[in-house]
Amino acid sequence: GQNIDQPTEMTATEGAIVQINCTYQTSGFNGLFWYQQHAGEAPTFLSYNVLDGLEEKGRFSSFLSRSKGYSYLLLKELQMKDSASYLCAVRAGGSYIPTFGRGTSLIVHP
Amino acid sequence: GAVVSQHPSWVICKSGTSVKIECRSLDFQATTMFWYRQFPKQSLMLMATSNEGSKATYEQGVEKDKFLINHASLTLSTLTVTSAHPEDSSFYICSARVNRGQGNQPQHFGDGTRLSIL
Repeated sequence: GQNIDQPTEMTATEGAIVQINCTYQTSGFNGLFWYQQHAGEAPTFLSYNVLDGLEEKGRFSSFLSRSKGYSYLLLKELQMKDSASYLCAVRAGGSYIPTFGRGTSLIVHP
Repeated sequence: GAVVSQHPSWVICKSGTSVKIECRSLDFQATTMFWYRQFPKQSLMLMATSNEGSKATYEQGVEKDKFLINHASLTLSTLTVTSAHPEDSSFYICSARVNRGQGNQPQHFGDGTRLSIL
């Protein structure tokens, strides 16, 4: 199986930068996804990493280190609408179906 | 592109009722769709993988007779919760993956169905 660990909750100030970490233990790693989920809504795709390094997409960036089993999602210039749960999902073992972590609830305050 | 529509959004019904949830891929074909259940502040738990034209693949611990899945076309999968009870109350979400290439294709999620059994 896979073991995916994320902090349960984080708070940050509007306009600031926040980094949400995700660590995983798995065999046959085959990609990591980040999704954003607002309360009561379905997840929306943010990023995908399969090689080591940083992928930048506007205010959001995602980093992966396969040797360390570690990823982070970096959110810059935080806005109130960024308050949501951020889900890390790992694909491994030859399956194209990712396993989701519990998610990190991010609260952005003025 | 890659829009997934899920219906209904909310269901409130009495214990013992069977509830059908539809999941449609609106602008792409999906031979495979996925059904998840999510309890408050918990992760998405995969219930089953729905395969067009064949039987669904259920995850361990998910009752096949309780959660009936039908995937009759390339754009529609349905989940029927049979004889629902209060413990079945949850947020049910479907997703689909574009049938093109592999690797970095993400899953596209429907808006979810909040099921409340009284």
